[in-house]
Amino acid sequence: DAGVIQSPRHEVTEMGQEVTLRCKPISGHDYLFWYRQTMMRGLELLIYFNNNVPIDDSGMPEDRFSAKMPNASFSTLKIQPSEPRDSAVYFCASSYQRTSYEQYFGPGTRLTVT
Amino acid sequence: GQQVMQIPQYQHVQEGEDFTTYCNSSTTLSNIQWYKQRPGGHPVFLIQLVKSGEVKKQKRLTFQFGEAKKNSSLHITATQTTDVGTYFCAGSGSGYSTLTFGKGTMLLVSP
Repeated sequence: DAGVIQSPRHEVTEMGQEVTLRCKPISGHDYLFWYRQTMMRGLELLIYFNNNVPIDDSGMPEDRFSAKMPNASFSTLKIQPSEPRDSAVYFCASSYQRTSYEQYFGPGTRLTVT
Repeated sequence: GQQVMQIPQYQHVQEGEDFTTYCNSSTTLSNIQWYKQRPGGHPVFLIQLVKSGEVKKQKRLTFQFGEAKKNSSLHITATQTTDVGTYFCAGSGSGYSTLTFGKGTMLLVSP
């Protein structure tokens, strides 16, 4: 398996623009997580899905952030409009919790908002 | 909400020295996991501890889960330059779905 795939790996955008981050989880995994990592706040859980259904989005910072999982092999995290304080590394992770609870992280998307 | 604290934030050792990072939770955990993130990389799962007082070893790494299931530690014996990275503990409360990550301990090893 190729592991969790994220795109793009790097994104530079101007304040006010829409940003869409993409994630393909490991095939067969039933949980998908979106995290944000910054030096100040560390690794924060934004939202997670179970079997494509959003379970807890309490970590989403504000209404500018939205996430979808239209099918088992694809999820998006959208920021509209983006702000400089959104600059961070965004990780997607997946797990198969019927046998193990370890999370497999993707390589991340480094977002810079100028 | 649940909080997971890790100390130290940073440690610089000479190759061959030992290293320990500690993790403390504000609440009792159902399990704790440890991850390693290399510079510029992504977190990679190392191990999961579930039982009170559990001790697990992976070569030079020793992981412990406290008796009260509120603290944990990772000890590396005779560090090597390949051990460089940030070590995170992550705890789960009731149920296993989500993890609360500590801020991590950054380890630098000088040859």
